[in-house]
Amino acid sequence: DTAVSQTPKYLVTQMGNDKSIKCEQNLGHDTMYWYKQDSKKFLKIMFSYNNKELIINETVPNRFSPKSPDKAHLNLHINSLELGDSAVYFCASSLHTDRGGGNEQFFGPGTRLTVL
Amino acid sequence: AQSVTQLGSHVSVSEGALVLLRCNYSSSVPPYLFWYVQYPNQGLQLLLKYTSAATLVKGINGFEAEFKKSETSFHLTKPSAHMSDAAEYFCAVSRSSFQKLVFGTGTRLLVSP
Repeated sequence: DTAVSQTPKYLVTQMGNDKSIKCEQNLGHDTMYWYKQDSKKFLKIMFSYNNKELIINETVPNRFSPKSPDKAHLNLHINSLELGDSAVYFCASSLHTDRGGGNEQFFGPGTRLTVL
Repeated sequence: AQSVTQLGSHVSVSEGALVLLRCNYSSSVPPYLFWYVQYPNQGLQLLLKYTSAATLVKGINGFEAEFKKSETSFHLTKPSAHMSDAAEYFCAVSRSSFQKLVFGTGTRLLVSP
């Protein structure tokens, strides 16, 4: 009965490798997000998809490529991993309405990525 | 651009004492404001949110926050701290219709016996 799930929970890899993180939500939401939390706990949005359409694309290196095969899934692929990519990546989802802005975002448990 | 400032990266209280975590926002239009809690090695959980329905907002686990437009503040309070409240607390603001959340830098709450 997990609402927002992410796999894997931990990911340890070498510099230069390519890796993917998967996210799935079973809440019937239509909007999904990727956030990055750095070592100082600072959280920043990276991407957002609404109904499989990219709507937010912050200043993120193009080595990061999100993909949303359907409304319930949002994956994050990272090419040529660098030391600075080490962080916790959170997926979140929400239901967009015309009221805008006030709906709760549900977060996944996070994926801790360590680049050696 | 909207932003939030959380004063104090760490707040220490004794069990049973009042909890006050500060958040000030900067927004050109009335914002939506949120408080999230993050327990160690877990994701974020919504404590409460302000969406202009009422200025005093009650959340889960006995927390509440008051929206004060004149002070551009949305401070989080709890009358009596419990050991289980020890966690990282994030204030966040949103304005766009697709809810881009802008987070503060977080405040770690430490509760001592």
